[in-house]
Amino acid sequence: DVKVTQSSRYLVKRTGEKVFLECVQDMDHENMFWYRQDPGLGLRLIYFSYDVKMKEKGDIPEGYSVSREKKERFSLILESASTNQTSMYLCASRAPSQGGETQYFGPGTRLLVL
Amino acid sequence: ELKVEQNPLFLSMQEGKNYTIYCNYSTTSDRLYWYRQDPGKSLESLFVLLSNGAVKQEGRLMASLDTKARLSTLHITAAVHDLSATYFCAVDMDSNYQLIWGAGTKLIIKP
Repeated sequence: DVKVTQSSRYLVKRTGEKVFLECVQDMDHENMFWYRQDPGLGLRLIYFSYDVKMKEKGDIPEGYSVSREKKERFSLILESASTNQTSMYLCASRAPSQGGETQYFGPGTRLLVL
Repeated sequence: ELKVEQNPLFLSMQEGKNYTIYCNYSTTSDRLYWYRQDPGKSLESLFVLLSNGAVKQEGRLMASLDTKARLSTLHITAAVHDLSATYFCAVDMDSNYQLIWGAGTKLIIKP
């Protein structure tokens, strides 16, 4: 059974803190994604990775960075958290798209920046 | 600009009724996905539609894809309260790894 896990379900951080969100998948998927979801704005792609050490910016990469040192793990980093980064963060993974593979989502991390 | 538009964005209906959610997209694609999200939860894959004319059904939900019209529908038959959720469609980009997402349709089914 497919599994994507995220390191925290809820996080509270202070403005200016460095924040790490981790995502691990056990499906040997090449592609991994970080989204944020805000009311009324749907899912917005922050970054994605199509292989180890490879990354691409999504629609809203500003204020974020990512790391993928191992195939199963994709980390999202908020270098200096700000209140406008309060959001629900969703990680997803996916096999290569040629076969029409769906994305599998983790449970999400609700981040509150004070 | 590549767009995926869902209609309606909000739907309140009574149990036992039928209704359809529409997903229009602006790019050429023959791969479309439907997801469900319960309040406060993550997204769960419902259907994967991979060709023109594809139809998938599970329980009271049926999804179809018309690639020529660039339209997918999610039909709800005899709705029950448990189907209350937000439903998203997403379209595969042929030359990219990404999915392009619709804004979601929030469905409330009243007893």
